[in-house]
Amino acid sequence: EPEVTQTPSHQVTQMGQEVILRCVPISNHLYFYWYRQILGQKVEFLVSFYNNEISEKSEIFDDQFSVERPDGSNFTLKIRSTKLEDSAMYFCASSWTTYEQYFGPGTRLTVT
Amino acid sequence: AQSVSQHNHHVILSEAASLELGCNYSYGGTVNLFWYVQYPGQHLQLLLKYFSGDPLVKGIKGFEAEFIKSKFSFNLRKPSVQWSDTAEYFCAVLVWDGGYNKLIFGAGTRLAVHP
Repeated sequence: EPEVTQTPSHQVTQMGQEVILRCVPISNHLYFYWYRQILGQKVEFLVSFYNNEISEKSEIFDDQFSVERPDGSNFTLKIRSTKLEDSAMYFCASSWTTYEQYFGPGTRLTVT
Repeated sequence: AQSVSQHNHHVILSEAASLELGCNYSYGGTVNLFWYVQYPGQHLQLLLKYFSGDPLVKGIKGFEAEFIKSKFSFNLRKPSVQWSDTAEYFCAVLVWDGGYNKLIFGAGTRLAVHP
């Protein structure tokens, strides 16, 4: 069964550094999402992406964040200058229609 | 504002006990509801979903959920849990904004099943 994959599984970075989290959505899916879960808190929506542009973003998704689908298969989340509070599990999701989202295994980002 | 509330943060049960996890939502639009499960070290997996029709929805692994519109609830049930059901369970509502959507999650309920 096709799956959403994410790399790396765990990323450790220093405050102020840029990180890129990578996701490979299911191949025929059209809608792409990033969510994050700070330890002990709920899963929160960050951004949705359709037709090569952001369709919606949350207030968390400020100018430090960007998303890209550089080559038709990968979907990346970039954080330009990481802060301690960016430490979280980041989940990518994709869907064929706008209804059912399939989630990847997550990338645990630790900012020191 | 849209929100999802899960009443129990931690639930501990013995095998064969019955399970009910509460979920209430606040959203004024068309309701699409989901339960996701996250087993230790694994990703979020869809357990079941409600879009329309029969309010009693059956999912994988013997789980079911009942949508009660008047109570804004979508509680998850299983008549007899197993040790392998130990996981975190998330209720979510699909929120629409224009032609696009996002999932709003509850805080999750961590279930521990003892043999």
